[in-house]
Amino acid sequence: SAVISQKPSRDICQRGTSLTIQCQVDSQVTMMFWYRQQPGQSLTLIATANQGSEATYESGFVIDKFPISRPNLTFSTLTVSNMSPEDSSIYLCSVVKSTSGDYGYTFGSGTRLTVV
Amino acid sequence: AQKVTQAQTEISVVEKEDVTLDCVYETRDTTYYLFWYKQPPSGELVFLIRRNSFDEQNEISGRYSWNFQKSTSSFNFTITASQVVDSAVYFCALYLSNSGYALNFGKGTSLLVTP
Repeated sequence: SAVISQKPSRDICQRGTSLTIQCQVDSQVTMMFWYRQQPGQSLTLIATANQGSEATYESGFVIDKFPISRPNLTFSTLTVSNMSPEDSSIYLCSVVKSTSGDYGYTFGSGTRLTVV
Repeated sequence: AQKVTQAQTEISVVEKEDVTLDCVYETRDTTYYLFWYKQPPSGELVFLIRRNSFDEQNEISGRYSWNFQKSTSSFNFTITASQVVDSAVYFCALYLSNSGYALNFGKGTSLLVTP
């Protein structure tokens, strides 16, 4: 399975600023996803990061707030823009190495974001 | 529509007790995958099992076992002889072959095992 390096692991940010989270995979993967986990809640899909094109966002999430890049098959970034305390959450990167047969999902260790 | 329901929000047991975590799913698809993940207090998601819709065999892995029943749309998880290290939040998740490959998670069950 793939190994994910997600950075930063945690951060405390001032309201109104932006934070970019990086997801680096040790091998090429087919699919990359970004999830949000609000305190005490389940994981909610933010978007699917598409290589070389605009991400596909889920209902309730918009590109202006959560711009995503995926320049190649091993790297993606999620930016949380113009942050407010409501953005305090764990953000997780997830990858699927193959969409045929195995469907092995791997998750990064997460970024714990606190907005003050 | 697809949906995963974990009706048990919190469960507390004493060490060495057996505990079953329930997962009920909804889908009209015939091809799908079900997952269980463990999230300990440290926050990382630990993969436990993946089961496809065509394989209804129950699985046992050490103290863990899973009961998949398509007739009741359930994929329950049992921990035998629970240990303090089993304390975590457990998530059941559903993947549909035509949903873009993302996982749809249940709300999770928080398990506390006390000595």
